[in-house]
Amino acid sequence: DADVTQTPRNRITKTGKRIMLECSQTKGHDRMYWYRQDPGLGLRLIYYSFDVKDINKGEISDGYSVSRQAQAKFSLSLESAIPNQTALYFCATSDPGTGVYNEQFFGPGTRLTVL
Amino acid sequence: GENVEQHPSTLSVQEGDSAVIKCTYSDSASNYFPWYKQELGKRPQLIIDIRSNVGEKKDQRIAVTLNKTAKHFSLHITETQPEDSAVYFCAASFLSGGYNKLIFGAGTRLAVHP
Repeated sequence: DADVTQTPRNRITKTGKRIMLECSQTKGHDRMYWYRQDPGLGLRLIYYSFDVKDINKGEISDGYSVSRQAQAKFSLSLESAIPNQTALYFCATSDPGTGVYNEQFFGPGTRLTVL
Repeated sequence: GENVEQHPSTLSVQEGDSAVIKCTYSDSASNYFPWYKQELGKRPQLIIDIRSNVGEKKDQRIAVTLNKTAKHFSLHITETQPEDSAVYFCAASFLSGGYNKLIFGAGTRLAVHP
């Protein structure tokens, strides 16, 4: 089945380290997103990309960067990790379809801990 | 600014009872309102969505209602079952810089007790 995958699934790192979270999809969708989930705060959009040459900031992009290497791959980087970036990170994809907003399909998540 | 408020944050019901979760949004131009369910340790998954051209949509035991004038929408689950226990997120679409994106509510943790 077509799916959205994320690597790694769990990561523990130290303050100041650079870390990359990777997302791959076999759904053939053009649109990809990165969210972080914190208890009591829901899902907050970090960055999104509507095609390979398109990158847009979301609600909370400070401290993060992204790269859209191909239609199927969208990576999130923390240039210098800090403890308040400890969270559950989700990648998601969607199909533009008819131009009306459509369902987003989420990956399994990456649990990141910054010590 | 762009905002979606969701209430309550936690909800506990007995099996067989109904559960209602409510959300309000800030942008009158929002036109798409999905609901996602996230079981413990799993990824969020769409359970139902509604677009601004309808006021209600139903799928078996779940239904969503939309009041565009008041800018609020609700999820209704009838005859709740233990497997309905999960965190539920509402979301609303916002147009920004020519792009449509979703803003999510903070989530409601629903517990259904046998």
